[in-house]
Order: sequence, then structure tokens, then C-alpha cells
Amino acid sequence: NAGVMQNPRHLVRRRGQEARLRCSPMKGHSHVYWYRQLPEEGLKFMVYLQKENIIDESGMPKERFSAEFPKEGPSILRIQQVVRGDSAAYFCASSLQDSYEQYFGPGTRLTVT
Amino acid sequence: GESVGLHLPTLSVQEGDNSIINCAYSNSASDYFIWYKQESGKGPQFIIDIRSNMDKRQGQRVTVLLNKTVKHLSLQIAATQPGDSAVYFCAERSTGANSKLTFGKGITLSVRP
Repeated sequence: NAGVMQNPRHLVRRRGQEARLRCSPMKGHSHVYWYRQLPEEGLKFMVYLQKENIIDESGMPKERFSAEFPKEGPSILRIQQVVRGDSAAYFCASSLQDSYEQYFGPGTRLTVT
Repeated sequence: GESVGLHLPTLSVQEGDNSIINCAYSNSASDYFIWYKQESGKGPQFIIDIRSNMDKRQGQRVTVLLNKTVKHLSLQIAATQPGDSAVYFCAERSTGANSKLTFGKGITLSVRP
């Protein structure tokens, strides 16, 4: 069984460009979570989505960041007009409905130059 | 606000010894706790979890202890092996928090051969 897939694994963007991060949950999982990890820090919750719905976006910055989980295809975390402070590792996790356990992907490491 | 923190940033142990990693949390509404292991360049890997109605849970070579009175969580690793070297995070989830996890900062476990 394939685990949570994320791509790209590494992404380099110049300031002002857009970054698109993709996450394919484990098979059968309909809940997706995005977390951000700064160097030597723990993971910080960003957003929780179910298919076609944003359930909790309390951790998302109000501007430039958006997330979606369409009926078909991967979940997308989109960062517009990136700044150096957006450089971090972005992790996606998925879970079964009503399940506590979240399985994490390998992350996307975003570097803004 | 909520916070989950770890007492020590690094822990060095001799191979074969037992390791104890401690974690404090501040949200008394937390009902579920998890320990994750993160190796360099990878996503967090689930180790063991415990619900708030329990005070101890054992897995293979690992034991999690929960003391709700002092809001303290610990992870014990028996017969620590070189492959246990990683960063360890405790995380908690609050009742009604829409599954989002709050992570501590992390502690690095280094196993000496």
C-alpha cells in the first residue's frame, strides 16, 4: 500500500513567484492535513480538509496561502508571491474518517531565494 | 493558548540503555496524545499513542506514560538502538479540535555505539 505522497520533494522559488505543493493521501483516506515545519521547530498546523471542503483553516496565514482538496486529484497547498519567510518544510498527513491516527508524507522542502 | 513543549533539546544515550523522553502540555482539554519519530529528511512516523482515559500504554520496546495531574507525557524506549536516533515529537489533540494536532518542539535522541 502506498503511503502519503507529496511532490515535489524540493522546490526552489524566487521571491514573488508562486509555489504549488501537492499531496496524495493514502488510499481510502478522505481527510487531509497540512503542517509547516521551520528548522529545528515542531510542526505547526495549517489547514484540515475533507473532499471539496475546508474544515479548519485556523493555522493558515490570511493572505497568499490557500488550500484545496478536490473531488478528484491531490490536495494542493498554494502559496502566492512567496517571501523568504515561507521557506520551510511542508508536510501533509491523511487519516481515515473518524480515525485519530494521521499518516505523514515525506514533505516538500520549499526554499525561497 | 495551547502549547506542548519538551524539557530538553537533546538526549544522548548509550546503545542498549533505556531512553526516557519527557514532554509537558498545557491544555487540560487534550484527550489524545501521540509520539512521533522524525528521521532526517523524512516525515514524522507514528510511534505510539495514548488516550486521556489511560495512564500507560506499551508497544514494542516503547512505553508511553501519561500523568494528567501534572500534564506530563513521557516516552520510554527500552534497549535503545542506533536506529532509534532521530528527533522525537510529542503531539496532542484537544476534544472538538477537528483532529488538528499540536506539536512540541522536538528532542534529538543520539545513540552512542
